[in-house]
Amino acid sequence: KAGVTQTPRYLIKTRGQQVTLSCSPISGHRSVSWYQQTPGQGLQFLFEYFSETQRNKGNFPGRFSGRQFSNSRSEMNVSTLELGDSALYLCASSFALLSYEQYFGPGTRLTVT
Amino acid sequence: AQKITQTQPGMFVQEKEAVTLDCTYDTSDQSYGLFWYKQPSSGEMIFLIYQGSYDEQNATEGRYSLNFQKARKSANLVISASQLGDSAMYFCAMREGGYGGSQGNLIFGKGTKLSVKP
Repeated sequence: KAGVTQTPRYLIKTRGQQVTLSCSPISGHRSVSWYQQTPGQGLQFLFEYFSETQRNKGNFPGRFSGRQFSNSRSEMNVSTLELGDSALYLCASSFALLSYEQYFGPGTRLTVT
Repeated sequence: AQKITQTQPGMFVQEKEAVTLDCTYDTSDQSYGLFWYKQPSSGEMIFLIYQGSYDEQNATEGRYSLNFQKARKSANLVISASQLGDSAMYFCAMREGGYGGSQGNLIFGKGTKLSVKP
């Protein structure tokens, strides 16, 4: 069974631009969560989607948004990029909303210049 | 206050020896789950082991075991017979939602970098 895939793996953007990251969960998994990892703040929860609905949201500004499609694939969007948005963005999937294990993808490394 | 504390930024261990990575947590919930993840330099987070707050016995998964001391709010990871491939960042995490942490977002510690020496 294929794992969680994230595209693109690497991205370089300029301040003020916007970016869209994609996550395809493991086949059959319906819950997708997003995390941001930076050297300073560590791993922080962004949001969680299940059945195309946002179920949980972390403490991030409104510039960070996401959505989930009917096939469970998810995208997150960051508008008006800032230098501090440079991070590894990790996506995790689980079978259901109530599930002990989350399986992470390889991440998208975003660099904002 | 930090919910997950990992006090060892970095550790060295000799190949084939056992190593313990420390983790303490803070929660007022009765139902929660504790998790350990491994992150190699490639970036992917690999799930290692889970312990539910209601579990009486310590969790074990192959060479990994979780030393769960509920009263002390600690959930240390023990890796037996270390291998060179165990060199990575290790993160302790907690979920406070659902039964035994079956729901909600993961709250991560800052991590411990483990280096295995040949």
